[in-house]
Amino acid sequence: KQEVTQIPAALSVPEGENLVLNCSFTDSAIYNLQWFRQDPGKGLTSLLLIQSSQREQTSGRLNASLDKSSGRSTLYIAASQPGDSATYLCAVRLVTQGGSEKLVFGKGTKLTVNP
Amino acid sequence: EAQVTQNPRYLITVTGKKLTVTCSQNMNHEYMSWYRQDPGLGLRQIYYSMNVEVTDKGDVPEGYKVSRKEKRNFPLILESPSPNQTSLYFCASSEPGQTFGGYTFGSGTRLTVV
Repeated sequence: KQEVTQIPAALSVPEGENLVLNCSFTDSAIYNLQWFRQDPGKGLTSLLLIQSSQREQTSGRLNASLDKSSGRSTLYIAASQPGDSATYLCAVRLVTQGGSEKLVFGKGTKLTVNP
Repeated sequence: EAQVTQNPRYLITVTGKKLTVTCSQNMNHEYMSWYRQDPGLGLRQIYYSMNVEVTDKGDVPEGYKVSRKEKRNFPLILESPSPNQTSLYFCASSEPGQTFGGYTFGSGTRLTVV
């Protein structure tokens, strides 16, 4: 059974700091991995999508890497800002034994960037 | 604008009163899913649809029904809601995984059953 773990569960940093969020998964048979941002009580906003054949993706100040063989992904945020404060979720997309598909989510890292 | 639209955003209901949460996507996606999000448990898949008239149970399907009569719509039905179904619900859509699609999520429906 695929399990996704995110460490740390919470992180507080001063504005301007570079930071790394970690995601690990137990089964490397995935289609892709997606990083989402969730503001309190709100929906999920997709940040980056990394295909299983890719090593990294970049969007602005965000860079996500994927090492499928070791079951690890990282989300790097450069020059953090208070507006980056949110919960960050990673999710792996896989095919189940029954042939359907699903996303398996980690429980998230709650990031607070202090002015 | 490409989006997944859920309605209502907030709903308070009483135990046993049937309700439907609607979900519609305008991206012509084949795949649609429902998830619930609970503190400490994260997001869990309720039901899943690969295309019109094709649905499958997810991890927590008990107490829910779905239908996929049209490609764009995927309503979630609670025939007899109970307090343990109080949660934040999300609908999502995607192209198939083989086409390297990512998921787009709706804004969520916060349901309270009293």
